[in-house]
Amino acid sequence: DAGITQSPRHKVTETGTPVTLRCHQTENHRYMYWYRQDPGHGLRLIHYSYGVKDTDKGEVSDGYSVSRSKTEDFLLTLESATSSQTSVYFCASPPVLGSGANVLTFGAGSRLTVL
Amino acid sequence: GQNIDQPTEMTATEGAIVQINCTYQTSGFNGLFWYQQHAGEAPTFLSYNVLDGLEEKGRFSSFLSRSKGYSYLLLKELQMKDSASYLCAVSSDSNYQLIWGAGTKLIIKP
Repeated sequence: DAGITQSPRHKVTETGTPVTLRCHQTENHRYMYWYRQDPGHGLRLIHYSYGVKDTDKGEVSDGYSVSRSKTEDFLLTLESATSSQTSVYFCASPPVLGSGANVLTFGAGSRLTVL
Repeated sequence: GQNIDQPTEMTATEGAIVQINCTYQTSGFNGLFWYQQHAGEAPTFLSYNVLDGLEEKGRFSSFLSRSKGYSYLLLKELQMKDSASYLCAVSSDSNYQLIWGAGTKLIIKP
């Protein structure tokens, strides 16, 4: 497994406050992803990274930014949280290099509530 | 646009067989994935199809027809622990990006 850990696992915050979610992986893989999951929707890609300091937007990137200063860490930041960003956030990465195309392993998720 | 459709919810009986369908329309195709997600947990990988046909893995099998844009996940000898959501996802490029269906919630009744 990719050994993905997310923190915090749960967070309640107020509208307008900044929030940072952290994803840490131990397999040294280039690719890491941030998804959000909401009822009635499939997993939606927020941002992804294909290497240190190499990131790109996904389909729902507005209101989010990311940073990847080290291979093992991928940070997701909500600069000014809104109630529409209440969601469960999952980080994902391929488990090991050469393990097979596109098989993603997910972190346990971070449940964010914006009041 | 790109779209993946699967039923929202299905109910089946313990010990029976259930088939969960998935249809897709994507700009490219590098493979179709099935994931299982128990309530409150992360999705976990079940199966992967890149060529037409049936892939069998224990009680679970997955089928793909690329010409029809269609896949199904077949679960046999259902157990109560199979109660979960089943997510269909398609890879349409080579950057490990997946397009996800909304998931099918499977309810198993005794």
